[in-house]
Amino acid sequence: AQSVTQLGSHVSVSEGALVLLRCNYSSSVPPYLFWYVQYPNQGLQLLLKYTSAATLVKGINGFEAEFKKSETSFHLTKPSAHMSDAAEYFCAVSYFSGGYQKVTFGTGTKLQVIP
Amino acid sequence: EPEVTQTPSHQVTQMGQEVILRCVPISNHLYFYWYRQILGQKVEFLVSFYNNEISEKSEIFDDQFSVERPDGSNFTLKIRSTKLEDSAMYFCASRAFTGTDGTSNTEAFFGQGTRLTVV
Repeated sequence: AQSVTQLGSHVSVSEGALVLLRCNYSSSVPPYLFWYVQYPNQGLQLLLKYTSAATLVKGINGFEAEFKKSETSFHLTKPSAHMSDAAEYFCAVSYFSGGYQKVTFGTGTKLQVIP
Repeated sequence: EPEVTQTPSHQVTQMGQEVILRCVPISNHLYFYWYRQILGQKVEFLVSFYNNEISEKSEIFDDQFSVERPDGSNFTLKIRSTKLEDSAMYFCASRAFTGTDGTSNTEAFFGQGTRLTVV
């Protein structure tokens, strides 16, 4: 089965600093990878998704992620953190299982932005 | 912009009672899902639904759970006899069969969730 591993359940950065949230995937076939964000007391919102068209994917709110097959990684970055980025971020992998497409989430990384 | 809507936003129920969580997926989507998130824990897959039947379910989705698409627009999750450990945020999601690029690499769109509290 496909899976994703997010390193670090909590990450703290200063406002204006680089944000780096790590995600590694396990997949025997080319994966479909996503990053979702969950603001407090809200649902999951898609930040970006990987397509085979480009290894560097740009998403909303200034986030981007780079697909590195050699490292089986899809880390999420943002050059300069903003207070409004404080949220929980989930990496997810989508794959076909038994003829159906399934989405599996990582355990999430809570981002704290310090003023 | 089309969105997945869930009702109610918060439901409190007594242990042993039946609850029905309701979802209206995006209209042209064909895959439907329920996920749950126990407070402070990860998002867990419960069940997927396609072509009017369950396509996959997790070990969490036992006989106490059922899903239904009664009228072609709503997608419901029923818990027959709630337990304290069913307290969680329940998310509904839907996905298109193919994306605008013609591939099946389509993202799931999530509702805002229903917070279920079992007392």
